[in-house]
Amino acid sequence: KAGVTQTPRYLIKTRGQQVTLSCSPISGHRSVSWYQQTPGQGLQFLFEYFSETQRNKGNFPGRFSGRQFSNSRSEMNVSTLELGDSALYLCASSLAVIGTGELFFGEGSRLTVL
Amino acid sequence: AQKVTQAQTEISVVEKEDVTLDCVYETRDTTYYLFWYKQPPSGELVFLIRRNSFDEQNEISGRYSWNFQKSTSSFNFTITASQVVDSAVYFCALSEATGGGNKLTFGTGTQLKVEL
Repeated sequence: KAGVTQTPRYLIKTRGQQVTLSCSPISGHRSVSWYQQTPGQGLQFLFEYFSETQRNKGNFPGRFSGRQFSNSRSEMNVSTLELGDSALYLCASSLAVIGTGELFFGEGSRLTVL
Repeated sequence: AQKVTQAQTEISVVEKEDVTLDCVYETRDTTYYLFWYKQPPSGELVFLIRRNSFDEQNEISGRYSWNFQKSTSSFNFTITASQVVDSAVYFCALSEATGGGNKLTFGTGTQLKVEL
């Protein structure tokens, strides 16, 4: 079956701009999580959506937001980009309804902020 | 708050050597889940194993084995007879049952290099 698909794979933005990243989960998976990966901070949890509702949120400023659609596809948005937002953004989907299940990750969207 | 420590930043071995990746975790929850993920150069994280806090039984899967010890809060991962294809960054992760969901706290990762 198709894996988690993230678009775009690479993008370059300038400070102050905003960006929207997209994630299509594995068919049947209703949980979608987002993580930011940087050399300095490592892998950090951004947020998780389940059935169009945000279920968990990490410690990121309000510039980072997300949403999930009825078909479980998810988008995350970063407004007023800063240089420190340059990172690999990973999306993961899961079949688990309650508790923690195995996460299936996409290849990520690599954002560079100039 | 939960925390995962992977003290080994980088390990280099020669093919066919055994290698153990260390992971120490901290949590106040009595119910939690531990994971190992592998990240090859392509970027996506690949799930290797999940353990819940009530299951201390060690597991072997092919060349991989895991040693979970609650007494020392450790969840170590061993690759037997390493191969070049094992070269990747390996992450240990923790999730607490409190709050539900799929929120993982990752360690900083261990870069494993297997050379011929």
